[in-house]
Amino acid sequence: ETGVTQTPRHLVMGMTNKKSLKCEQHLGHNAMYWYKQSAKKPLELMFVYNFKEQTENNSVPSRFSPECPNSSHLFLHLHTLQPEDSALYLCASSQEYRDREAYEQYFGPGTRLTVT
Amino acid sequence: TQLLEQSPQFLSIQEGENLTVYCNSSSVFSSLQWYRQEPGEGPVLLVTVVTGGEVKKLKRLTFQFGDARKDSSLHITAAQPGDTGLYLCAGGPMRALNFGKGTSLLVTP
Repeated sequence: ETGVTQTPRHLVMGMTNKKSLKCEQHLGHNAMYWYKQSAKKPLELMFVYNFKEQTENNSVPSRFSPECPNSSHLFLHLHTLQPEDSALYLCASSQEYRDREAYEQYFGPGTRLTVT
Repeated sequence: TQLLEQSPQFLSIQEGENLTVYCNSSSVFSSLQWYRQEPGEGPVLLVTVVTGGEVKKLKRLTFQFGDARKDSSLHITAAQPGDTGLYLCAGGPMRALNFGKGTSLLVTP
């Protein structure tokens, strides 16, 4: 496997279900991100992990719970979601440097989530 | 949150035509990135611009960062069907990138 992989690619879940999204990066990067992409809305940053520590949490509802066990893996645990949470969930990774202005983010293909 | 407005929202052109898409904000950005996203895939980084007035070329694509670092443009020369996709601009602190809604480009043979 190369780059950033995400599983599953498609997920349909009921509002009372509990599921998890998985992301794995094979690039040796030290930062990982979760984004939400909804129709007619800009890509929204949800969580950022750097060296396994959460550094950003953009006021995401508690029904979304991230987990980063190591610098290569990132999970998004889902429970009691709402229909408006249906979207494409994208994972990305990057290599952060203290003296660089910009980091190149590499995205996975996303998980298309439908909440019924 | 620093808002990024992209225009046009949709663009449908024929192969061989030239086009320009825009990314504008009222905020100053330390850097700005352009991505292309194809259906069923995640965005792929095309370029990063960091200096006001900077121009970067990637084959038939020309990217420009405004002098005041508040806007950027992407010009495509002689568009090809393979250029079809959603073009996204993003700026801001690297750990909190703000994305525009994108320009959806369709190039027909």
